[in-house]
Amino acid sequence: GENVEQHPSTLSVQEGDSAVIKCTYSDSASNYFPWYKQELGKGPQLIIDIRSNVGEKKDQRIAVTLNKTAKHFSLHITETQPEDSAVYFCAAHGDSGGYQKVTFGTGTKLQVIP
Amino acid sequence: EAQVTQNPRYLITVTGKKLTVTCSQNMNHEYMSWYRQDPGLGLRQIYYSMNVEVTDKGDVPEGYKVSRKEKRNFPLILESPSPNQTSLYFCASSSTVTDTQYFGPGTRLTVL
Repeated sequence: GENVEQHPSTLSVQEGDSAVIKCTYSDSASNYFPWYKQELGKGPQLIIDIRSNVGEKKDQRIAVTLNKTAKHFSLHITETQPEDSAVYFCAAHGDSGGYQKVTFGTGTKLQVIP
Repeated sequence: EAQVTQNPRYLITVTGKKLTVTCSQNMNHEYMSWYRQDPGLGLRQIYYSMNVEVTDKGDVPEGYKVSRKEKRNFPLILESPSPNQTSLYFCASSSTVTDTQYFGPGTRLTVL
């Protein structure tokens, strides 16, 4: 089955700096890679996603890159703000045309220091 | 408002006492799933359902049952709960067009 590794488990950055979180996956059949943000006491919420036919996707201060050959993808947050402090999860799975077993990484707790 | 609801939000029970956690979505999503979240382990999938009457095991299905008799509902059943099922549980749903999962607010379960 799929295995997703996520690093680092904790990350502290100064406000305004960039943060990078990395994930690797094992199943070459995975072709959908979402990132979720989980605030304290809430369920995870999608912040950005990427499909295997795309190498990079950007949405304002957030970007995701995918290297399908190396089987890794990364989340980049620029100009971090205190409200970016949360736990971030990556995930990997097939798309709607394939299997829907979903595998998550173990999470990264991001702390943005004002 | 588009949402996934779970009930109850908090539950303390004793070993062996059957319980059901309900999950409902109002977005007409085909796909629904249950996860448990434990410190250091992230979210692990328990069961998922691609549509009515279609369910399949995730990575940690032991000790759990599900059913999908209606498109909007996907209850999680613990027939004989044990302390190792103490966890935070999330239900999620998604459209098979977008794949984006929408999560419920979570159910914190404690089994004594």
